Amino acid sequence: DAKTTQPTSMDCAEGRAANLPCNHSTISGNEYVYWYRQIHSQGPQYIIHGLKNNETNEMASLIITEDRKSSTLILPHATLRDTAVYYCIVRLYGGATNKLIFGTGTLLAVQP
Amino acid sequence: GAVVSQHPSWVICKSGTSVKIECRSLDFQATTMFWYRQFPKQSLMLMATSNEGSKATYEQGVEKDKFLINHASLTLSTLTVTSAHPEDSSFYICSARWGNTGNEQFFGPGTRLTVL
Repeated sequence: DAKTTQPTSMDCAEGRAANLPCNHSTISGNEYVYWYRQIHSQGPQYIIHGLKNNETNEMASLIITEDRKSSTLILPHATLRDTAVYYCIVRLYGGATNKLIFGTGTLLAVQP
Repeated sequence: GAVVSQHPSWVICKSGTSVKIECRSLDFQATTMFWYRQFPKQSLMLMATSNEGSKATYEQGVEKDKFLINHASLTLSTLTVTSAHPEDSSFYICSARWGNTGNEQFFGPGTRLTVL
């Protein structure tokens, strides 16, 4: 699976949009981009995933560049409860080796 | 989303004893379950992958005789830490997925193990 690079930490003001970048320059054509987050001392929570097109759900939006070498997770109106470590993961679609490998993630601190 | 539970949520045990952690998928059938370990201020590390009815596949460096995994049904997987020692103290998290496709994995709340 391709590796990802994320900033170690970011701050965001409450109510503002949080934009979390992720680089995955070695991504291959059949690999998806997944985002999970982990609030302190809890299990990770699925946020969103995508292949090529931008995706949006009730939690966030995922913007993937045309060359697919980077992506951005957008939390449109961050709240204090969004403070967590956000993980960007690239994963193959299908097959026995289909597993999530976590990197170091980005610690997002939402400030009041 | 689908719900995955773990039991117990925390456990304290003496060195040399064995501890069993249960992972259940509550509203779906999990054909594949994963076990992760997380040390303080570190990321999750995948320990093993198990498919229902077959032996678990362990990641490199994980002792299969120490961390026994049983995935006996489509809704239950267990991790047994045998002869636990203080260095096994960690946050253990399970994850479950149905099918072999790109379906997202759902994670349990984790189990905090402290070995005295």
